[in-house]
Amino acid sequence: AQSVTQPDIHITVSEGASLELRCNYSYGATPYLFWYVQSPGQGLQLLLKYFSGDTLVQGIKGFEAEFKRSQSSFNLRKPSVHWSDAAEYFCAVAEIYNTDKLIFGTGTRLQVFP
Amino acid sequence: DADVTQTPRNRITKTGKRIMLECSQTKGHDRMYWYRQDPGLGLRLIYYSFDVKDINKGEISDGYSVSRQAQAKFSLSLESAIPNQTALYFCATSDFSSEETQYFGPGTRLLVL
Repeated sequence: AQSVTQPDIHITVSEGASLELRCNYSYGATPYLFWYVQSPGQGLQLLLKYFSGDTLVQGIKGFEAEFKRSQSSFNLRKPSVHWSDAAEYFCAVAEIYNTDKLIFGTGTRLQVFP
Repeated sequence: DADVTQTPRNRITKTGKRIMLECSQTKGHDRMYWYRQDPGLGLRLIYYSFDVKDINKGEISDGYSVSRQAQAKFSLSLESAIPNQTALYFCATSDFSSEETQYFGPGTRLLVL
């Protein structure tokens, strides 16, 4: 069965610092991969997704993620964090032929200090 | 106006009561989903629907039922609410036009006393 692991429950960074949120998945083939962000009191918003092709994908709000098949990882990065990036971030995977069943990680809460 | 709306946004109810959470969408998507979010557990799929006549159970459907009244409306019911159904509930939509991306509503926070 598929699974997603986000090993960091809570991360704190200073504004302007770089950010990397980790995501590891377990799946027999290459899955579809997603990163969503949930701001306080809001629903989930898609940051970026990977289906195939270039393993470095660009998303909204200056985020990017890199798919590494050898490490079963899809880490999210941002070179310079803004205070408005404080939120909870979820990695999710779906099977290529069963994209309706998104499996979510447990989330990483990002706190940004001025 | 939001593309995916959920009502109510907050609800407090008592054990044993029947409640309904509603979801409406203006995106024209065929597929709709209900998830629940619990702290430390992420989101888990309760039910999903490909169209009005196609309803499917998700990972945690026990204690819940759904109704797809129209393409744009998908309701989640708790027939007899219990305290461990206290959670944040999200509706989502997708279809081929969204390239398999699911779009989420703002959520309904439910407290069962």
